[in-house]
Amino acid sequence: AQSVTQLDSHVSVSEGTPVLLRCNYSSSYSPSLFWYVQHPNKGLQLLLKYTSAATLVKGINGFEAEFKKSETSFHLTKPSAHMSDAAEYFCVVSKFYQGTGTASKLTFGTGTRLQVTL
Amino acid sequence: EAGVTQFPSHSVIEKGQTVTLRCDPISGHDNLYWYRRVMGKEIKFLLHFVKESKQDESGMPNNRFLAERTGGTYSTLKVQPAELEDSGVYFCASSPDRALRTYEQYFGPGTRLTVT
Repeated sequence: AQSVTQLDSHVSVSEGTPVLLRCNYSSSYSPSLFWYVQHPNKGLQLLLKYTSAATLVKGINGFEAEFKKSETSFHLTKPSAHMSDAAEYFCVVSKFYQGTGTASKLTFGTGTRLQVTL
Repeated sequence: EAGVTQFPSHSVIEKGQTVTLRCDPISGHDNLYWYRRVMGKEIKFLLHFVKESKQDESGMPNNRFLAERTGGTYSTLKVQPAELEDSGVYFCASSPDRALRTYEQYFGPGTRLTVT
C-alpha cells in the first residue's frame, strides 16, 4: 500500500519569497514520487519526478524537491515565488516497475493551494 | 504534438440519467488512465488500459461505471444511472509504450460532471 500526505492545504507567500510545500509518503515499495501542478481550468502538469536516481530533483520553472528516505519526505521548494506560480500542487506516489520502466497507477495527495501575493 | 483531450469539458445531468465521457490520448500512447476527483477529496485512480485491454480496474467504484477503449485509441467512460455522489472532475491521462521507459502520465484538462 502507498499513500501521500500533504501537510498544508493552503500556503500563502509573497512574490519573491521562498516556497515550501510539504509532502510525506508511505510506500511498501521503492517509490516513484512526483509533483504535479494544476493551474485554473488547465490539466495536470508534471513539475518533477523522482525515480531512484539523484535524490535532489530539479523540475520546471525553478522548482526542485529532495527525496529523503529517512524522513519519508519529498518537499517541493522554489527560491523565489512568482505570481504565475499560484496554482494547486499535488504530491503523487507510484510504484515503479523496474522491469518495464513505467509507473503504475498514481496515488495523489489532497493538494496544496499556493497563493502568491504582491 | 496534441495533448490529451477530453469531451465534454462540463456536463450537467439529472440523477438517473446516463452520461458518457470521452478521452483522446496522445497519439501512439498505449497506456490510458482514468482518475476522478470528488469535491473536497483527493484525485483517485479509476482504471488503466493498455491498448484495448483493462490492465487494472481496481478503482472503479461500482457497476454503474463502464469504461471502454475501442481499438486501443480513444476511451469512453459511461455512468449509468448517474447518482449525486458521482459529481466531480474526471481526468484522463496517457503514457507511452512501456518499452520507451517513461514515467510520466500526461493529463487532460478534465470533465466536470455535475449530477443534480
